[in-house]
Amino acid sequence: KAGVTQTPRYLIKTRGQQVTLSCSPISGHRSVSWYQQTPGQGLQFLFEYFSETQRNKGNFPGRFSGRQFSNSRSEMNVSTLELGDSALYLCASSGGLRSGYGYTFGSGTRLTVV
Amino acid sequence: GNSVTQMEGPVTLSEEAFLTINCTYTATGYPSLFWYVQYPGEGLQLLLKATKADDKGSNKGFEATYRKETTSFHLEKGSVQVSDSAVYFCALRASGNTPLVFGKGTRLSVIA
Repeated sequence: KAGVTQTPRYLIKTRGQQVTLSCSPISGHRSVSWYQQTPGQGLQFLFEYFSETQRNKGNFPGRFSGRQFSNSRSEMNVSTLELGDSALYLCASSGGLRSGYGYTFGSGTRLTVV
Repeated sequence: GNSVTQMEGPVTLSEEAFLTINCTYTATGYPSLFWYVQYPGEGLQLLLKATKADDKGSNKGFEATYRKETTSFHLEKGSVQVSDSAVYFCALRASGNTPLVFGKGTRLSVIA
């Protein structure tokens, strides 16, 4: 079955712009989570959506936002980009108890802010 | 809060050497524990998991046992290969409603 699909794979944006990243979870998975990965901070949790509702939120500024649609696809948006937002953004979906609460990750979107 | 501590890397081993990557955790209750692997330029792949005490997760020759008494979930492999070179992340999820919490990762390099 298809895995988690993230688009685009690579992005280059200018400081001050905004960006939208997309994630399509595994069919039947209702939970989608987003993580930011940087060499210095490692994997940091951004937010989790379940059935179109934000269920958990990490410690990121309000410039980072997300949403989930009725088909479980999710988008995250970063406004007023800063150089420090350059990172690999990973999306993961979970099938809940059936999967032992584990996540399946996409390949990520590499965002470079210049 | 919930947290995971894993050994600092990088770890460099010769092919066929024995691998141990230590992982300890802090959590309330009975979390599920995971090891993920990240190959260069890719996302994270689930390597193995354990959902209750004394469970042993295993996959591709890797093993880890959920030790409640020592709050540990150490990753082991009897004979590493060059293709095992990657970054390994230990993680926990306290419940179905909480996020997956990761350790900082351990980079493994295996040389022929």
